[in-house]
Amino acid sequence: DTAVSQTPKYLVTQMGNDKSIKCEQNLGHDTMYWYKQDSKKFLKIMFSYNNKELIINETVPNRFSPKSPDKAHLNLHINSLELGDSAVYFCASSQDQAEQYFGPGTRLTVT
Amino acid sequence: QKEVEQNSGPLSVPEGAIASLNCTYSDRGSQSFFWYRQYSGKSPELIMFIYSNGDKEDGRFTAQLNKASQYVSLLIRDSQPSDSATYLCAVNRGGGATNKLIFGTGTLLAVQP
Repeated sequence: DTAVSQTPKYLVTQMGNDKSIKCEQNLGHDTMYWYKQDSKKFLKIMFSYNNKELIINETVPNRFSPKSPDKAHLNLHINSLELGDSAVYFCASSQDQAEQYFGPGTRLTVT
Repeated sequence: QKEVEQNSGPLSVPEGAIASLNCTYSDRGSQSFFWYRQYSGKSPELIMFIYSNGDKEDGRFTAQLNKASQYVSLLIRDSQPSDSATYLCAVNRGGGATNKLIFGTGTLLAVQP
């Protein structure tokens, strides 16, 4: 069974569009995260949620809006996509803010 | 100064040798440290974590932490070609609900058969 899953795996879209990425974890963890890995492979946190509550909101454009309907799910909606949003987006989860386990990633390409 | 620094490599070692990967961090208050392995096109995979000064061994992997020197390393014994990947060092900044991993840029390890 997949511990942290994301959909879609690949996302190709045009500038200006709105898209969503979904994440689910079946580990029973209480904290979930979104990370962005850019073309230089640098991995940076964007958001974290603990039991559906937004905890960390890094300096991310407000075109990015996370939503956590329950502690097993964390979605990321992106409005008005820009070329610079092209990256791999990883979801992760942890229990008690300890070791984090990553999902397979969503490769977003904005043309 | 970057918060977490790693040599980008590539670090090339022959099969069967010991690979030594190093990482320094700037925040003296950091309490926990992680090593992730990332194969090309894949997600980061947790391989080791260490919270206390000293060594922690798990199979062929040993993590070493020296908080006074703000230094954490990963040793891979009997390196195999399948160990070839990018190794990401991560440091936990914050604590409790504000737990946040700060990653280095990774070291590319190439194990030569």
